[in-house]
Amino acid sequence: AQKITQTQPGMFVQEKEAVTLDCTYDTSDPSYGLFWYKQPSSGEMIFLIYQGSYDQQNATEGRYSLNFQKARKSANLVISASQLGDSAMYFCAMRVMDTGRRALTFGSGTRLQVQP
Amino acid sequence: DAGITQSPRYKITETGRQVTLMCHQTWSHSYMFWYRQDLGHGLRLIYYSAAADITDKGEVPDGYVVSRSKTENFPLTLESATRSQTSVYFCASSDPDRGWAGELFFGEGSRLTVL
Repeated sequence: AQKITQTQPGMFVQEKEAVTLDCTYDTSDPSYGLFWYKQPSSGEMIFLIYQGSYDQQNATEGRYSLNFQKARKSANLVISASQLGDSAMYFCAMRVMDTGRRALTFGSGTRLQVQP
Repeated sequence: DAGITQSPRYKITETGRQVTLMCHQTWSHSYMFWYRQDLGHGLRLIYYSAAADITDKGEVPDGYVVSRSKTENFPLTLESATRSQTSVYFCASSDPDRGWAGELFFGEGSRLTVL
């Protein structure tokens, strides 16, 4: 069975600084994908970034980048130049190919607070 | 507007009552999902559907029933609500053309309170 672990229940960062949100995963399948979602206080789930297990380069989307370390089974989200609007819950999730399902398995989340 | 909508957004019910949460998507995505979100647990999969008339249990299916007679609708029914089913419920869909990299698109969520 696959599992996602987010060990930081809460994080603080100063505005304009970079922050790393940790995510480790566990699967024996060589084919998988990793996703990050943002959930602001309004409650909607916003997709941020995707990394495939065979991708050679770390994924980047604007101020978001994914620090993918396959041997360590980690997929940390890096947010550069934090903004007040980045304050939210962040979820790491995984899809394992051999299950045949398209569902994602989610971690418990990290609450990020950006301070002015 | 195109997208995925859930109704009701808020519902208060009593223990033992039947409750149905509706989910409608306009993209014709074949894959649809129901998750529940509880503090400390993230999102947990309740049920999953690969296409109309094809459904499968997720991680926490007990006490829930789903149906999918049409591609665009995926209702979730709590047959006899319990207090432990107080939660925020999210419906989601995924575009099969995006392959395994396809993200899930979520509805706004339905907050259910069981008294």
